[in-house]
Amino acid sequence: EAGVAQSPRYKIIEKRQSVAFWCNPISGHATLYWYQQILGQGPKLLIQFQNNGVVDDSQLPKDRFSAERLKGVDSTLKIQPAKLEDSAVYLCASSKLAGYQETQYFGPGTRLLVL
Amino acid sequence: AQTVTQSQPEMSVQEAETVTLSCTYDTSENNYYLFWYKQPPSRQMILVIRQEAYKQQNATENRFSVNFQKAAKSFSLKISDSQLGDTAMYFCAFSGAGSYQLTFGKGTKLSVIP
Repeated sequence: EAGVAQSPRYKIIEKRQSVAFWCNPISGHATLYWYQQILGQGPKLLIQFQNNGVVDDSQLPKDRFSAERLKGVDSTLKIQPAKLEDSAVYLCASSKLAGYQETQYFGPGTRLLVL
Repeated sequence: AQTVTQSQPEMSVQEAETVTLSCTYDTSENNYYLFWYKQPPSRQMILVIRQEAYKQQNATENRFSVNFQKAAKSFSLKISDSQLGDTAMYFCAFSGAGSYQLTFGKGTKLSVIP
């Protein structure tokens, strides 16, 4: 079974530029998550999708971050414009269903550096 | 809001020895799950072990076991017969019935020394 795929793996941009990350979850997984992991910290949830609907985006900085999950499969996370403090690893995860008992499976992440 | 605290930023252990990583959490919920995730250098995060709060028996997975103390809100991970491949960041995480999101601790960097 293929795991969660993410691209690109690395991205370097200058502040005020825009950037987009892509995630393909495990086949058949209805729930998809985007996390931000700043160096030295644990991941923090940005947004959670159930199929193609948003379940929780309370911690997404909506003035600059946006995310979509078209057709309930792949997802993209966009930052526009980027700030220095957005430098982090962006992790995508998926689970079969939404529920506190569900195991989340993580992708390799996209490491973003904003100069 | 739930919080997860890992008080050991870094630890080291000799190969083949046993090490215990600490985790405490704070919640008012009765139904929840606790997880330990492993994040090897430059590799993706994988689940090591999980514990259901309503189960008194401690979870075990091969060389990995937990000591779950619900009243003390403590959830430590014991790694027996440590191997070089165990070198990684270890994150303790909480997921409660009131909110489906995972709340992570800051992690413990474990180094296994040959």
